Amino acid sequence: GNSVTQMEGPVTLSEEAFLTINCTYTATGYPSLFWYVQYPGEGLQLLLKATKADDKGSNKGFEATYRKETTSFHLEKGSVQVSDSAVYFCALRTNQAGTALIFGKGTTLSVSS
Amino acid sequence: EAGVAQSPRYKIIEKRQSVAFWCNPISGHATLYWYQQILGQGPKLLIQFQNNGVVDDSQLPKDRFSAERLKGVDSTLKIQPAKLEDSAVYLCASSLVAGAKETQYFGPGTRLLVL
Repeated sequence: GNSVTQMEGPVTLSEEAFLTINCTYTATGYPSLFWYVQYPGEGLQLLLKATKADDKGSNKGFEATYRKETTSFHLEKGSVQVSDSAVYFCALRTNQAGTALIFGKGTTLSVSS
Repeated sequence: EAGVAQSPRYKIIEKRQSVAFWCNPISGHATLYWYQQILGQGPKLLIQFQNNGVVDDSQLPKDRFSAERLKGVDSTLKIQPAKLEDSAVYLCASSLVAGAKETQYFGPGTRLLVL
């Protein structure tokens, strides 16, 4: 079946460090891929998305590239800030069996100054 | 543009009691989703509506959970009777149309604690 696997957290970094959160997926067909972020006390917000192979999604300094050959969609940021502290979820959607999002378990990022 | 509204934000009940959650999607959004997010896990779909019809309820525990979307706008999710394992955050999301590329917008969620 369709599934998403994220690296285990928590990830603890100092301000201005480089961030990578790994995400791999299993899916039939050609899914769309998403990163959502959940700040403390807030709801899920779309961070970025990519809808076909080799697409790069980007927002707020975060980037992720849809790699079909490695079935991956790793999230990266060159210089994290304290305000980036949140839980990050990788997710996919396919056109098969409905259009609901299938999420990974989430990765908690904590950035200290 | 107003976002997805949910109420209540928090609810504490005893096991075997009933509870209901309400969701008002973004205006004009035809597709509405209810997700369950257990602590430490990602959200999992409970039910998906397209207008007032059910598209997917394969993961809804129908012996205790029910949901409706009368008139294709607001939706209500009910649990009766609640079990301890129902403690979770219940998220409502909506999208303009159904489609793999469409963005889903999430509400703030209702945090349920069953004692």
